Amino acid sequence: SQQGEEDPQALSIQEGENATMNCSYKTSINNLQWYRQNSGRGLVHLILIRSNEREKHSGRLRVTLDTSKKSSSLLITASRAADTASYFCATADNQGGKLIFGQGTELSVKP
Amino acid sequence: DAGVIQSPRHEVTEMGQEVTLRCKPISGHDYLFWYRQTMMRGLELLIYFNNNVPIDDSGMPEDRFSAKMPNASFSTLKIQPSEPRDSAVYFCASSLTGFGNTIYFGEGSWLTVV
Repeated sequence: SQQGEEDPQALSIQEGENATMNCSYKTSINNLQWYRQNSGRGLVHLILIRSNEREKHSGRLRVTLDTSKKSSSLLITASRAADTASYFCATADNQGGKLIFGQGTELSVKP
Repeated sequence: DAGVIQSPRHEVTEMGQEVTLRCKPISGHDYLFWYRQTMMRGLELLIYFNNNVPIDDSGMPEDRFSAKMPNASFSTLKIQPSEPRDSAVYFCASSLTGFGNTIYFGEGSWLTVV
């Protein structure tokens, strides 16, 4: 399986601080996606980075991808209490494979 | 667009009963996915459809599970008979172009089998 594995499993920070979550995977990928899930809700797509990209930004989010290390990171800058959620990385292999999700990082941002 | 719509949002049923979960994907999306989420196993892909045709059902846990997509705007996931270990959140999701792009999730159906 090429399931992404997030690190850390849980992260607690103060509002205003930056939060960094990491994802590692096992095989070659077509793309890597990050999703957020608020408690009791569905997953919401945050950002997609393709295998030929190294960095992408969206608002306060920055995603990096290092295909040589088979890893990605999600940085949330100037975190807010509303960022409290679980964050999942998901990978799709480069042969039209299925999107496989990791176990997620539970982020808690304290006001 | 209203997004992916799932029903019911919550269901509590007794072991042995039939459970039917329903999904309306986003209009125009050619792909529909059913995922299951549990604490122990995380998010698992059960089955996905392309243009109403089941493409890969290798994630369906047992013959007790079946899924159909009779038309582009409706899909069902059925469990018959249900067991307590089927308790989970079942998500339906849809996408324009499959796994290579954004997948839009519904709010989930929270199933408890007692």
